[in-house]
Amino acid sequence: AQSVTQLDSQVPVFEEAPVELRCNYSSSVSVYLFWYVQYPNQGLQLLLKYLSGSTLVKGINGFEAEFNKSQTSFHLRKPSVHISDTAEYFCAVRNTGGFKTIFGAGTRLFVKA
Amino acid sequence: NAGVTQTPKFQVLKTGQSMTLQCAQDMNHNSMYWYRQDPGMGLRLIYYSASEGTTDKGEVPNGYNVSRLNKREFSLRLESAAPSQTSVYFCASSERAQNRATNEKLFFGSGTQLSVL
Repeated sequence: AQSVTQLDSQVPVFEEAPVELRCNYSSSVSVYLFWYVQYPNQGLQLLLKYLSGSTLVKGINGFEAEFNKSQTSFHLRKPSVHISDTAEYFCAVRNTGGFKTIFGAGTRLFVKA
Repeated sequence: NAGVTQTPKFQVLKTGQSMTLQCAQDMNHNSMYWYRQDPGMGLRLIYYSASEGTTDKGEVPNGYNVSRLNKREFSLRLESAAPSQTSVYFCASSERAQNRATNEKLFFGSGTQLSVL
């Protein structure tokens, strides 16, 4: 079975500062990794995904994430955040042969002016 | 451009009442899912349907049943609601096909906020 740990429940940051949201996963088989974003009162939408190949993955809105197999991590980064990035971010994992996508508990990013 | 449509958006039930949450997708996706979202716990998978005609338990299936009515529709039923089932419920779908991950992503509905008193 897979599991996902998001190490920070809340991350406050000032506008234009860099941010890193941390995610570690556990799995005995090969996995696909995802980051989803949820804006207030909305459903989730995909930010980026790692399926295979290059370990640095770029997504929408200037976000990127790096897959580190040895550390079983998939941290999300953005070099300069905007007020509009305030949202909840979820890391997720699915084994490559399965159907179940398992989510972490979420990290609430709060960007301050 | 509907995507995944969930009804109702809000519902209040009394303990012991039953109800069905409806979900429909218009993207011809094979797989459909029901999640619940609770503060501090993220999204937890209740049930999923890998393809039309199949359903399987997820992480937290107790107290729920599902029906994959056809390729478009996947409903979630609470037979006897309990306060512990107060949550926000999300339906999702994906094109997910065996051994083809290129289009892998979940499309989510806007959620149903359910309160059980």
